[in-house]
Amino acid sequence: RKEVEQDPGPFNVPEGATVAFNCTYSNSASQSFFWYRQDCRKEPKLLMSVYSSGNEDGRFTAQLNRASQYISLLIRDSKLSDSATYLCVVWGTGGYQKVTFGTGTKLQVIP
Amino acid sequence: GAVVSQHPSRVICKSGTSVKIECRSLDFQATTMFWYRQFPKQSLMLMATSNEGSKATYEQGVEKDKFLINHASLTLSTLTVTSAHPEDSSFYICSARGLAGAGNEQFFGPGTRLTVL
Repeated sequence: RKEVEQDPGPFNVPEGATVAFNCTYSNSASQSFFWYRQDCRKEPKLLMSVYSSGNEDGRFTAQLNRASQYISLLIRDSKLSDSATYLCVVWGTGGYQKVTFGTGTKLQVIP
Repeated sequence: GAVVSQHPSRVICKSGTSVKIECRSLDFQATTMFWYRQFPKQSLMLMATSNEGSKATYEQGVEKDKFLINHASLTLSTLTVTSAHPEDSSFYICSARGLAGAGNEQFFGPGTRLTVL
C-alpha cells in the first residue's frame, strides 16, 4: 500500500459545481497534513493546512479523519481558475521530517 | 507567504558536466530545505532533506555522491548534479521550512528544469 494515495482523476466538473477529493495515508503516526495546488509545469503552492477540527478558507474546506486515516478537500462553486492538480501532503510518515506527496488529483473545471 | 527563489530556472547541459542549482529563502530563515525531483506527469519525489550546518539526509535510491547538497546558511541551499546524464533530465524543485515551531508548511521555489543532452 502506498504511503499516501489519491485518486488521480481527472475530475471534469462544470463551473459552479461542488467537487470533493479524498486522500488516504497509511501511517497512523503522521503528524501534519496539507493540500497543495500545482499548475502545469509550475511549482506546488500551499492551498491550506488540514486540522482535526476541519478548516475553511472561502470556497475551500479541508477535513481530517484520523480514525479512518484520510483527509479531504471540498471546493464549492468551482471556478475555471480552480483547474489544477491538487496534491495531498503528509508529514511524519517515516520520522519527524519525512514528508510524502500524493500523486495528485487533476481537476478540470469546464465552462 | 514566504518567498523562495531558485536559480537557474532552466539549464541545458552536455552529458558528463556538473550543474549547480541554488535555492534561497528570501524573507525568512529556513532551518530545513528539501530537494524534490518531478518527472513529467508524475508526483514530486523527495530526494533529500537538508538542515543548515549538517549533512543532508538522502532518500532511499538517491545517490549522495551524485547529488551533492550543501546548506551553508539559513537562507541558501545548493544541489549539484555531478556528471549529469540524460536520465537526470527532470524538474528539480526546492522547498524551505521556517524556524522550529513555525509549523510544517513548506514554501516552494519555482523549480529548475534540467535538460541533459
